[in-house]
Amino acid sequence: DAKTTQPNSMESNEEEPVHLPCNHSTISGTDYIHWYRQLPSQGPEYVIHGLTSNVNNRMASLAIAEDRKSSTLILHRATLRDAAVYYCILRVNYGGSQGNLIFGKGTKLSVKP
Amino acid sequence: GAGVSQSPSNKVTEKGKDVELRCDPISGHTALYWYRQSLGQGLEFLIYFQGNSAPDKSGLPSDRFSAERTGGSVSTLTIQRTQQEDSAVYLCASSLAGIADFFGPGTRLTVL
Repeated sequence: DAKTTQPNSMESNEEEPVHLPCNHSTISGTDYIHWYRQLPSQGPEYVIHGLTSNVNNRMASLAIAEDRKSSTLILHRATLRDAAVYYCILRVNYGGSQGNLIFGKGTKLSVKP
Repeated sequence: GAGVSQSPSNKVTEKGKDVELRCDPISGHTALYWYRQSLGQGLEFLIYFQGNSAPDKSGLPSDRFSAERTGGSVSTLTIQRTQQEDSAVYLCASSLAGIADFFGPGTRLTVL
């Protein structure tokens, strides 16, 4: 499975944008880029995913490099509730049947008031 | 509720006892996953059910661990002869077509 590399930790100020980077230089053409986050004492939560084009949803935006070897999760205005560990995960789509998620160490985001 | 539910939320057991953990996935979700997360560690995949296919058991750490999914819905993870290293939070997730996986709140297992 293709691996991802993320910074161990990042800090942000409340109400400022946050850009969480992820490198995946060995990504294959069938890998989707998924982001999950895990708030303290909770199970992981789906954030966003994409293949080639940038994606936006109510939680975040995902910017994907043209060569797909890196991506950035963008939180437009960080809140204290966004403090969590953010995981960037590559996942193959076998026609709707997908295997398990492979979680790395992720990036621990701290948000300062 | 509409989410994934797990029971019990907490389980304390003695070394050597068997335990059963239950997962109720979101109705209609064909895929079901079990993971575990030891204190301060990342999530470790255990087993994956997809529809009527044979489960992917490649993540089970030993033959003391087993899981079944009855009727394509509820799943039970069984740990026999529990050991202290089995202490962890056991998380269940379900998904439909693998777009987004929805995780339950987990069962915290403590083996004394």
